[in-house]
Amino acid sequence: AQKITQTQPGMFVQEKEAVTLDCTYDTSDQSYGLFWYKQPSSGEMIFLIYQGSYDEQNATEGRYSLNFQKARKSANLVISASQLGDSAMYFCAMRDGSNFGNEKLTFGTGTRLTIIP
Amino acid sequence: DTEVTQTPKHLVMGMTNKKSLKCEQHMGHRAMYWYKQKAKKPPELMFVYSYEKLSINESVPSRFSPECPNSSLLNLHLHALQPEDSALYLCASSAGWLGGGPRRNEQFFGPGTRLTVL
Repeated sequence: AQKITQTQPGMFVQEKEAVTLDCTYDTSDQSYGLFWYKQPSSGEMIFLIYQGSYDEQNATEGRYSLNFQKARKSANLVISASQLGDSAMYFCAMRDGSNFGNEKLTFGTGTRLTIIP
Repeated sequence: DTEVTQTPKHLVMGMTNKKSLKCEQHMGHRAMYWYKQKAKKPPELMFVYSYEKLSINESVPSRFSPECPNSSLLNLHLHALQPEDSALYLCASSAGWLGGGPRRNEQFFGPGTRLTVL
């Protein structure tokens, strides 16, 4: 069974600093995908970044980068130059790559990030 | 248009009522999903439709009845709900399987319906 672990229930970070949100995963599959989503208080889940298990380069999307360490089964999200609008709940999620199209995401418990002005 | 819309935004219903949640996307996606999210918890998958056919049912009680009338629309029919069913219900869509190996296929989420069962 797949499992995602986010060990930081809450984090407080000064505006403009970089922040790393931790995510470790457990799977016996060779093919899988890792996602990070942001959920503001409004409720909508916003896709941030994706890393495929066969991707050799770490993913980057604007201010977001994913520190993917496959041997350690970790996929940490790095947000550079944090902004007040980054305050939200952040979920790490994993998709089983063997069931293409009918894809179940397994979510971690989330990290509540608060940016301090 | 990269938007998933959900109506209504808020819903309050009694345990004997019948109501429906609606979800719509116009991105040409062929997979659609219903999630339930309780406060301070991650979303839990309920149903997946792939090419308008139900492909995953995560052992959801029959008082929740999904329907996919066409590739753009997904409904969730509610009947005889319990107070513990109060939650945020999120709809999502993704491109679905187009052949070949694994690829991003990220899920796009709607804003959700906040359901309260009295």
